[in-house]
Amino acid sequence: GQNIDQPTEMTATEGAIVQINCTYQTSGFNGLFWYQQHAGEAPTFLSYNVLDGLEEKGRFSSFLSRSKGYSYLLLKELQMKDSASYLCAVRSTNSGNTPLVFGKGTRLSVIA
Amino acid sequence: ETGVTQTPRHLVMGMTNKKSLKCEQHLGHNAMYWYKQSAKKPLELMFVYNFKEQTENNSVPSRFSPECPNSSHLFLHLHTLQPEDSALYLCASSQVWEGFEPQHFGDGTRLSIL
Repeated sequence: GQNIDQPTEMTATEGAIVQINCTYQTSGFNGLFWYQQHAGEAPTFLSYNVLDGLEEKGRFSSFLSRSKGYSYLLLKELQMKDSASYLCAVRSTNSGNTPLVFGKGTRLSVIA
Repeated sequence: ETGVTQTPRHLVMGMTNKKSLKCEQHLGHNAMYWYKQSAKKPLELMFVYNFKEQTENNSVPSRFSPECPNSSHLFLHLHTLQPEDSALYLCASSQVWEGFEPQHFGDGTRLSIL
């Protein structure tokens, strides 16, 4: 079966750093995606990892360990606008046609 | 603006009504998707269309009927829905190939069944 686990909710302070973890058990692996979704809006693509290691993109970074079935999204210098749900998703095969399997999402609240 | 437009944004309907959700993508992609997003549940894939052909039907009840007349348009026809079908319905598109390509989502249709 396919299973993606991430914490349901997190709270962090403006200006701080927060790490959102994601663990996965899938029949195969060909890439892990992170999306951001503000309430009432479309999920928007943040990052993609297919090889082990850290991918940095401005204030956001994403890490992958394939042997551990583990990823995290790191948000630095938190801003109030970063309050949103963060979705972890895995593509399980190397077929470009394979849909993504999503976790339930982590709702992040940034407080002053 | 994500390049994927969904209408209507909100829909309230009775269980005996028939309605349709519409999705249009302006990104030149060759694959389109319908997802259901319910509170406290993961995004659930419903249907996939690749080059206008349905390639996946994820055990969706027949009261949901998709239609993809061309690679830019996708519909979800609804009839005799149940209260548990109330949810946010998201459309997405992507360019299918062997490499990396994220899916681009629309803002969704918030559906409420009375």
